[in-house]
Amino acid sequence: DAMVIQNPRYQVTQFGKPVTLSCSQTLNHNVMYWYQQKSSQAPKLLFHYYDKDFNNEADTPDNFQSRRPNTSFCFLDIRSPGLGDAAMYLCATSRYTGGAKGYGYTFGSGTRLTVV
Amino acid sequence: GENVEQHPSTLSVQEGDSAVIKCTYSDSASNYFPWYKQELGKRPQLIIDIRSNVGEKKDQRIAVTLNKTAKHFSLHITETQPEDSAVYFCAALQTSGTYKYIFGTGTRLKVLA
Repeated sequence: DAMVIQNPRYQVTQFGKPVTLSCSQTLNHNVMYWYQQKSSQAPKLLFHYYDKDFNNEADTPDNFQSRRPNTSFCFLDIRSPGLGDAAMYLCATSRYTGGAKGYGYTFGSGTRLTVV
Repeated sequence: GENVEQHPSTLSVQEGDSAVIKCTYSDSASNYFPWYKQELGKRPQLIIDIRSNVGEKKDQRIAVTLNKTAKHFSLHITETQPEDSAVYFCAALQTSGTYKYIFGTGTRLKVLA
């Protein structure tokens, strides 16, 4: 039932070497999110797309960028990974139809990033 | 913006006993509250949710209660089993500004056999 797919599951990158994580969804959800999660801490929202509108969190470092070329795909680019960026990166999708009615997220399996 | 506090951070119960996890939120405009279960190395899974027009919702051994006046909601797990051991996160939907969930800090539940 893999409807939100993240690739790869594990990624090892060198310190300072750009890396891209990908997320795809078959749910046709209009909102896509990127979260960073470190060792059983709460997921920390980096940014999200509401359709094509990009929403950055105020405390998300400039080192993190995102692209959403179409409804199904969203990418997380880390321009110069540092040791502190090692974490699980979770993609999530949701359907928002306007007003105040919300729906639960569907999370991908995550990509565990190691920086060496 | 919304702020969600979650307690306790760790909880150990004997198998068969009940477990209760509590969350408080700050934004009275929040109106949707999901609970997620996350096992080690896996994605968070939605286990139950509640909307602000409902005071309680139950799904087999899991229930959630919501007190809008006090701005708190709780997860209740009855007849706990070892497979309930996981980290549980509450969340509140922030609708003012952008549409996103604010997560609590998580509760590590251990069910002792």
